[in-house]
Amino acid sequence: AQKITQTQPGMFVQEKEAVTLDCTYDTSDQSYGLFWYKQPSSGEMIFLIYQGSYDEQNATEGRYSLNFQKARKSANLVISASQLGDSAMYFCAMRGYNNNDMRFGAGTRLTVKP
Amino acid sequence: GAGVSQSPSNKVTEKGKDVELRCDPISGHTALYWYRQSLGQGLEFLIYFQGNSAPDKSGLPSDRFSAERTGGSVSTLTIQRTQQEDSAVYLCASSFRGFEGYTFGSGTRLTVV
Repeated sequence: AQKITQTQPGMFVQEKEAVTLDCTYDTSDQSYGLFWYKQPSSGEMIFLIYQGSYDEQNATEGRYSLNFQKARKSANLVISASQLGDSAMYFCAMRGYNNNDMRFGAGTRLTVKP
Repeated sequence: GAGVSQSPSNKVTEKGKDVELRCDPISGHTALYWYRQSLGQGLEFLIYFQGNSAPDKSGLPSDRFSAERTGGSVSTLTIQRTQQEDSAVYLCASSFRGFEGYTFGSGTRLTVV
C-alpha cells in the first residue's frame, strides 16, 4: 500500500523568500514517481514537478525544486523567491511504476504575504 | 481537445436522484482517472481506465458508483440514488501512457440537497 503524508496543513512565507513544503511517503514499490501539484482557489490542479525514484539528481523546474531523499522517503518541494501568485494548496503525490493510480497527500495551504 | 473537459461544471441534484458526470480527455491520452475531492480535503482515487477497460475499480466508494469509457475517449461517472455525502468536486485527469504527470479537468462540483 502507498501512503503520502503532508504534515503541514498551512504555511506562511514572506514574498521573495524561499519556502519548503514537506512530503514523506511509504511504499513497497522499488520503482515509483513523485509529483507535486498546485491547486489555486479556482480549483484546477496544475502539475509542477516530477521526480523518478531512480533519478540521481533532484528535479528542478524554474523556481520549483524537489529535495529528494530516498533513504528517508521524503520528497520536499522548495519554492524559491515566493510570489503572491504562489498562494494555493499544494499536493504531493506518488505512483508506483506497476500501479494504476496516483495517490495524493492531504495538501498544504501556502499563503504568501506581501 | 486542448485540455481535459468536464461537464457539467456544477450540478445540484435532489437526494435519491441519479447523476451522470462526463469527462472528455485530451485526444490521444490512453489513461483516464477519476478522483473525488471533498471540501478542504485531498484527492480520493475512484477509478482508472487504460483504453476502455478499468483494471482498478477499488476506489469506488459503493455500488451506487459506476463508470464507463467508450472508444478510448469520453468517460462517464454515474452515481445512482445520490446521498448528501456524495457532495464533492469530481475531478477527471488523463495522461498519454499513464506514468507521467496527469492533466486535470476543472472538475464537476456536485451538490446533493
